[in-house]
Amino acid sequence: NAGVTQTPKFRVLKTGQSMTLLCAQDMNHEYMYWYRQDPGMGLRLIHYSVGEGTTAKGEVPDGYNVSRLKKQNFLLGLESAAPSQTSVYFCASSYSLKAQPQHFGDGTRLSIL
Amino acid sequence: RKEVEQDPGPFNVPEGATVAFNCTYSNSASQSFFWYRQDCRKEPKLLMSVYSSGNEDGRFTAQLNRASQYISLLIRDSKLSDSATYLCVVYGGSQGNLIFGKGTKLSVKP
Repeated sequence: NAGVTQTPKFRVLKTGQSMTLLCAQDMNHEYMYWYRQDPGMGLRLIHYSVGEGTTAKGEVPDGYNVSRLKKQNFLLGLESAAPSQTSVYFCASSYSLKAQPQHFGDGTRLSIL
Repeated sequence: RKEVEQDPGPFNVPEGATVAFNCTYSNSASQSFFWYRQDCRKEPKLLMSVYSSGNEDGRFTAQLNRASQYISLLIRDSKLSDSATYLCVVYGGSQGNLIFGKGTKLSVKP
């Protein structure tokens, strides 16, 4: 009963490097989300997806790209990492955009040096 | 005005105390409301949904006042294990997604 699984759990990058964070869910949820959480800022939505093959921008999309090629997977890419992207990244999924609560992965701690 | 505002705390209370958290939201069209709990360095987890008539789950009571755009969470008989950050969450922000408050930190002491 995995729920939402994020990989990797920790990563340290140098400025300018690229990487992809993977989120996988086994609950057959249509909706998936990527958030970042910074001290004193709360959770902020980066991008989200309402179904396979669709993505949309959230509150803080700049510097990130996403893809949802399969229903169960939602990838978050950093093309050229910057120190401002040091954060904890959470993936989440839900049955619907509106009423259902979201189920979160346990996070990826990313440091950009 | 921020979309969802909470008192950041921390609230430091003794075991057995009753503690209340408040939250205000700016979008009067907001449709769904939740309280999440987040332990240190862990993911947020749903604590309870908030219904218009108010609802209770064991020691936890949630209230919604749509006229004042105000949500509350009451914890009775606090336990050490209640120590966490409590996030007020509203559906129906400007982008039609869940909007998270910054959280209120609770520390329950023996």
